[in-house]
Amino acid sequence: GESVGLHLPTLSVQEGDNSIINCAYSNSASDYFIWYKQESGKGPQFIIDIRSNMDKRQGQRVTVLLNKTVKHLSLQIAATQPGDSAVYFCAENGNSGYSTLTFGKGTMLLVSP
Amino acid sequence: DTAVSQTPKYLVTQMGNDKSIKCEQNLGHDTMYWYKQDSKKFLKIMFSYNNKELIINETVPNRFSPKSPDKAHLNLHINSLELGDSAVYFCASSQDRGRKLFFGSGTQLSVL
Repeated sequence: GESVGLHLPTLSVQEGDNSIINCAYSNSASDYFIWYKQESGKGPQFIIDIRSNMDKRQGQRVTVLLNKTVKHLSLQIAATQPGDSAVYFCAENGNSGYSTLTFGKGTMLLVSP
Repeated sequence: DTAVSQTPKYLVTQMGNDKSIKCEQNLGHDTMYWYKQDSKKFLKIMFSYNNKELIINETVPNRFSPKSPDKAHLNLHINSLELGDSAVYFCASSQDRGRKLFFGSGTQLSVL
């Protein structure tokens, strides 16, 4: 079946660095993509989303890039802080008839002071 | 104000027991969901309800039965619990299907 994301990797960065978390998706029918942050012991929290008619969207310290040609999604975090340490998930809506989000396997971001 | 709240936070029980997890959202959303997160952090959809009607029922054992008394509540009842049911269960809601989900804080279920 279709799938989103990669095996759970870990990205280690220093405080102040820029972080880039990548996600590959395979369902070309998806028209909506979203990033979540999950801290230990908590539920996933919304970070930023993007529709398929856009290729870039910016938020506060975060940018999502969508490359539909290669089916790739990335999350850029500027000036990474220790509080950004968490597991990050991408998700798409093309499966289950657009009725829900299908999540990738997540990336652990570790930020050292 | 907690937007999506689920109880209990932790649930420890013996194999074969029956247990329920409750979920309530105060966002006025029409759609609610249950997701299961395994030990590898993988989030998988279990059920989705829209205005109290079931719209998604993924491949989940029929020991799991969702119940939606109104559109603000979606409870999950699990019969005859098995070791493999141990996981974190998340309730979520959204205004539009397949769009931004708001998650609860999760229920960590441990079956002994």
